[in-house]
Amino acid sequence: GAGVSQTPSNKVTEKGKYVELRCDPISGHTALYWYRQSLGQGPEFLIYFQGTGAADDSGLPNDRFFAVRPEGSVSTLKIQRTERGDSAVYLCASRASGSDTQYFGPGTRLTVL
Amino acid sequence: QKEVEQNSGPLSVPEGAIASLNCTYSDRGSQSFFWYRQYSGKSPELIMFIYSNGDKEDGRFTAQLNKASQYVSLLIRDSQPSDSATYLCAVNRNGGSQGNLIFGKGTKLSVKP
Repeated sequence: GAGVSQTPSNKVTEKGKYVELRCDPISGHTALYWYRQSLGQGPEFLIYFQGTGAADDSGLPNDRFFAVRPEGSVSTLKIQRTERGDSAVYLCASRASGSDTQYFGPGTRLTVL
Repeated sequence: QKEVEQNSGPLSVPEGAIASLNCTYSDRGSQSFFWYRQYSGKSPELIMFIYSNGDKEDGRFTAQLNKASQYVSLLIRDSQPSDSATYLCAVNRNGGSQGNLIFGKGTKLSVKP
């Protein structure tokens, strides 16, 4: 079946702009995660959704970052007033209920100029 | 002390040899442990997970867990050039289906023909 999909695959923006990154999880997966990966580092947790609600948003670095999952499926990560330090690959993962195995999407490479 | 530590490598082994990848974690209450493979420019791909002390084998891969020493390893037998990638160790502190993954920085493996 289809895996996790993310759009866009690449996003180049200017400092101070607003961006939205989209994640479409594996069908039926109730849990959805956002991670951020910088060059040479492992993925860093941002936020976790169980259904429509954010179960853990402790990884969001500051209030410029926000994520939603209004219908319990697709999620959007929103970054306001982007900074050059936000440049990274943003990864989305989903997990089926009762499992703790997370499956990753291809990521969105965000570049802030 | 970082929560999950890995030697960044690169680890270079000849084709056909055994590659040994190591990981230590700081939270003694961690419940489940994962190895992901990440090819350059790609997203992490799950190789194995392990929950209990001891060894778990899957084809050419063996995961080893020692909770007393807070140590988890991955052995790759009969290494192939196609195994050349970065291997990420990840820990779920909460266990079961709760919580996010904490990743190490990854170990870069190079298998020489």
